[in-house]
Amino acid sequence: DTGVSQNPRHKITKRGQNVTFRCDPISEHNRLYWYRQTLGQGPEFLTYFQNEAQLEKSRLLSDRFSAERPKGSFSTLEIQRTEQGDSAMYLCASSLAGTGHSNQPQHFGDGTRLSIL
Amino acid sequence: SQQGEEDPQALSIQEGENATMNCSYKTSINNLQWYRQNSGRGLVHLILIRSNEREKHSGRLRVTLDTSKKSSSLLITASRAADTASYFCATDGTDTGRRALTFGSGTRLQVQP
Repeated sequence: DTGVSQNPRHKITKRGQNVTFRCDPISEHNRLYWYRQTLGQGPEFLTYFQNEAQLEKSRLLSDRFSAERPKGSFSTLEIQRTEQGDSAMYLCASSLAGTGHSNQPQHFGDGTRLSIL
Repeated sequence: SQQGEEDPQALSIQEGENATMNCSYKTSINNLQWYRQNSGRGLVHLILIRSNEREKHSGRLRVTLDTSKKSSSLLITASRAADTASYFCATDGTDTGRRALTFGSGTRLQVQP
């Protein structure tokens, strides 16, 4: 399978704990995105990488959130001191670079569902 | 509110009927994309229409774009039970440096067999 892979699929943790999610994008894709999705809503943008550079962060990404893509391949999203409101599906997507400012279609993983007890 | 807003929020039809979903957005765009999401799964890209295009077809899908009205529609013809899913529009804005897509809250389509 050469799609976007996310691990784990489900994570249940107690409030205040730290959690880390991993995303393996499609190998030739140089852009990688993280989104958060709550029930009944569309994905909300969190952050974006082009190769290893983190180029954009949403206001949703508080200082408890950090994302890395150290070698321009896989990425990790860490949430420190988790809160009830962090419960959501965390989606990763990857794409090729578009021309100019235009985006290419994004390929999504199946997400990591986070539940905070 | 989000850049893209779909209408209706939910749609229930019989197999074989056509389904039309609408999307409105607020700012200038480079392109508009439609995605599908089955329950508990990630999103799957369906079709991309550029700002200088007015209509695009892909199999049973037809997308229109009216940039003067800042709106788009997705038509699924001859629907099947397997088309049951949530459908999202996503816009790629023309803001300098903006790479992220902005998604609406989706239309939940139920196709009854």
